[in-house]
Amino acid sequence: EAGVAQSPRYKIIEKRQSVAFWCNPISGHATLYWYQQILGQGPKLLIQFQNNGVVDDSQLPKDRFSAERLKGVDSTLKIQPAKLEDSAVYLCASSLDRLAGRGTQYFGPGTRLLVL
Amino acid sequence: GNSVTQMEGPVTLSEEAFLTINCTYTATGYPSLFWYVQYPGEGLQLLLKATKADDKGSNKGFEATYRKETTSFHLEKGSVQVSDSAVYFCALLYYGGSQGNLIFGKGTKLSVKP
Repeated sequence: EAGVAQSPRYKIIEKRQSVAFWCNPISGHATLYWYQQILGQGPKLLIQFQNNGVVDDSQLPKDRFSAERLKGVDSTLKIQPAKLEDSAVYLCASSLDRLAGRGTQYFGPGTRLLVL
Repeated sequence: GNSVTQMEGPVTLSEEAFLTINCTYTATGYPSLFWYVQYPGEGLQLLLKATKADDKGSNKGFEATYRKETTSFHLEKGSVQVSDSAVYFCALLYYGGSQGNLIFGKGTKLSVKP
């Protein structure tokens, strides 16, 4: 079974530029998550989708971050404009559960973002 | 609120040594507990989990027991290998309303020397 796919693996941009990350969850997984992992810390949830609807985006900085999951499969996370403090690894995860967030989450390899 | 506290690293051990990484949690209700491992340059991999009190999760020689009375979920391995060098994250899954939320500790870096 293929795992969670993410691209790109690495991205370097200058502050105030925009960037987008892509995630393809495990086939059949209804719930998709985006996490931000700052160096030396545990991942922090940014947004959670159940199929193509947003379940929880309470920790998403909506003035600069946006995410969508069209057709309930793959998803994109965008930052516009980027700030220095956005330098982090962005992890995508998915779970099978019918009720959002109640199942084991499987993580992709992450996208490492460096903002200069 | 809900939170996870892990012992700070880095932890450096010799091959075949005994490993313990402490994890305690604060939660309302009855969370599920997890250990994830992150190898250098890779994403998080589920190592083991326990969904109710007194459950023992185990995988690849690692074990952890869900202790409700001490709110702990310590990770143990009897004999570590160089290949176990990684960052280990303790996490809890709590249910708020109709959804679950995964809360991570800060991670503990383990280095195993030959």
